[in-house]
Amino acid sequence: GAGVSQTPSNKVTEKGKYVELRCDPISGHTALYWYRQSLGQGPEFLIYFQGTGAADDSGLPNDRFFAVRPEGSVSTLKIQRTERGDSAVYLCASSSGGGIYNEQFFGPGTRLTVL
Amino acid sequence: KQEVTQIPAALSVPEGENLVLNCSFTDSAIYNLQWFRQDPGKGLTSLLLIQSSQREQTSGRLNASLDKSSGRSTLYIAASQPGDSATYLCAGVIQTGANNLFFGTGTRLTVIP
Repeated sequence: GAGVSQTPSNKVTEKGKYVELRCDPISGHTALYWYRQSLGQGPEFLIYFQGTGAADDSGLPNDRFFAVRPEGSVSTLKIQRTERGDSAVYLCASSSGGGIYNEQFFGPGTRLTVL
Repeated sequence: KQEVTQIPAALSVPEGENLVLNCSFTDSAIYNLQWFRQDPGKGLTSLLLIQSSQREQTSGRLNASLDKSSGRSTLYIAASQPGDSATYLCAGVIQTGANNLFFGTGTRLTVIP
């Protein structure tokens, strides 16, 4: 596709449930990022992949959060035992390289609501 | 901890006015800086990218500048239009060994017809 896509666009779940959020980066982009945006705030970094490996996961808030990118393209963010505080918009971005000078392009986000 | 401040938090201007949005970083070691636009309920659209070796970038009615010595960036919008109404976010790669963007909280712009 032409841009970064994310599915689902909206996800409503109950406290304690498991959820998966998917990101399809721009074709050929080797770097992929996950961010989380709470209402009225700027996005906050969660994890960065270069190819298949997580190069930096320092932004993951706790061990309930996990992400994979097994083939170096699509990535899935997994959240176990969801809590109400996990409610936010989860944004995915990709760039053509993982260098500090590469422009990041964002998807439309997945709005997660934990009841 | 790195802080990114955007001033003002909200701004309303009549159509046709020129305006400036401000962004500042507590740590001036900025490797690159991006300005984004976010419409309500939508993702981020990249507007301009300034690399650390550059001082400014222009795209149409938009001009962004970067002053590394002070850790400040400005986004200048000329001849504003109602379609420019959105939240504008600045973000920088600002930490050695990290490639992620640090974001400000944004400036919510309303252009009144």
